[in-house]
Amino acid sequence: EVQLLESGGGLVQPGGSLRLSCAASGFTFSSYGMNWVRQAPGKGPEWVSVIGASGSPTYYADSVKGRFTISKDNSKSTLYLQMNSLRAEDTAIYYCTPLGDGPDYWGQGTLVTVYS
Amino acid sequence: QAVLTQPSSLSASPGASASLTCTLRSGINVGTSRIYWYQQKPGSPPQFLLRYKSDSDKQQGSGVPSRFSGSKDASANAGILLISGLQSEDEADYYCMIWHNNAWVFGGGTKLTVL
Repeated sequence: EVQLLESGGGLVQPGGSLRLSCAASGFTFSSYGMNWVRQAPGKGPEWVSVIGASGSPTYYADSVKGRFTISKDNSKSTLYLQMNSLRAEDTAIYYCTPLGDGPDYWGQGTLVTVYS
Repeated sequence: QAVLTQPSSLSASPGASASLTCTLRSGINVGTSRIYWYQQKPGSPPQFLLRYKSDSDKQQGSGVPSRFSGSKDASANAGILLISGLQSEDEADYYCMIWHNNAWVFGGGTKLTVL
């Protein structure tokens, strides 16, 4: 059974940092590029970042470029998102997913709330 | 101007067909674009429905009924998700997506009401 388990979300003040993790199982994680997609309350999904199957290339949405860093540890089948300089507008549920032409796997997400 | 524009809402009757549009920004050619469609119901992540570029380059999501299909309207520079034989369980939010300038881009979504 395929599982994507996101963790690391929580409450943080503006300017703070969080590191999200996504533990994958049930499929060959190393074969697929992976994405972070977020969804603010009551809004549509917003793509955040993508990383290639072997760890490169990486691309970011303009809204997070320079603040977020995506990484992938294929030996641990885990995807990461280091989020720095957090802003109120980063408040959302964060999902990891292959997206695009990869298999349609989604976790239940992890909630990040940036409050002052 | 947004990269992808979707009408915010659409209503249709059970058993009827619904055509959901996704208009690409001027300068982005729908003819060369693969358009992905997702369905999202409250409390769940988006679910892949299908991908459509042409009749020879398309993919249906696993378990997605054939009454969901994709097409394009080149004159409108738009992708289309056609849902035939509407059922109450089709009531959901629908999002289109493309890969553009090294980024995945979602449309703003269409809320489909079946009544």
